[in-house]
Amino acid sequence: GDSVTQMEGPVTLSEEAFLTINCTYTATGYPSLFWYVQYPGEGLQLLLKATKADDKGSNKGFEATYRKETTSFHLEKGSVQVSDSAVYFCALTPYTGGFKTIFGAGTRLFVKA
Amino acid sequence: EAQVTQNPRYLITVTGKKLTVTCSQNMNHEYMSWYRQDPGLGLRQIYYSMNVEVTDKGDVPEGYKVSRKEKRNFPLILESPSPNQTSLYFCASTPQITGSTDTQYFGPGTRLTVL
Repeated sequence: GDSVTQMEGPVTLSEEAFLTINCTYTATGYPSLFWYVQYPGEGLQLLLKATKADDKGSNKGFEATYRKETTSFHLEKGSVQVSDSAVYFCALTPYTGGFKTIFGAGTRLFVKA
Repeated sequence: EAQVTQNPRYLITVTGKKLTVTCSQNMNHEYMSWYRQDPGLGLRQIYYSMNVEVTDKGDVPEGYKVSRKEKRNFPLILESPSPNQTSLYFCASTPQITGSTDTQYFGPGTRLTVL
């Protein structure tokens, strides 16, 4: 079945460091791919998404490229801030539609000043 | 303000005492869903609803019930809660039922503890 695997955390970085959070997926066809972020005490909110191969989603300095050949959707940011400390979830929705959204386990990021 | 609301935000109860967690959205979204979040497991879908009176099971429906009598509301019912249902619960809504590309909008979460 469809699945999402993301790197285990926590990830601890210093402010202004480069961030990569790896995400790979297993799915038939061409799923839509998402990164959601969960700040402490809050619900999830969409960070970015990509709906077809080679698309790049971007928002708030974060980027991720839909790589069909490697079935990956890694999240990157060139310079993290303390305010980026949160839990990041990679997710997919199958091409077949419906709303069987599948989430990864989440990666907690700590950014130190 | 467009939002998904859940109540209560925190609940401590005892085994077997029926409870309902309410979810409401003011965006006229057709699709709504319930998830539970557990450490190391991410979010797992409990139930979803594609429209009024249309609901279906997600990945972990056992021990839960839902209803969708109005478009804006999607309550989650635990008829006889057990300790393994201690978790963080999220309600979400999405504008369309045909687009797998659509973003989900999440409520703030309900932290449930069953003793």
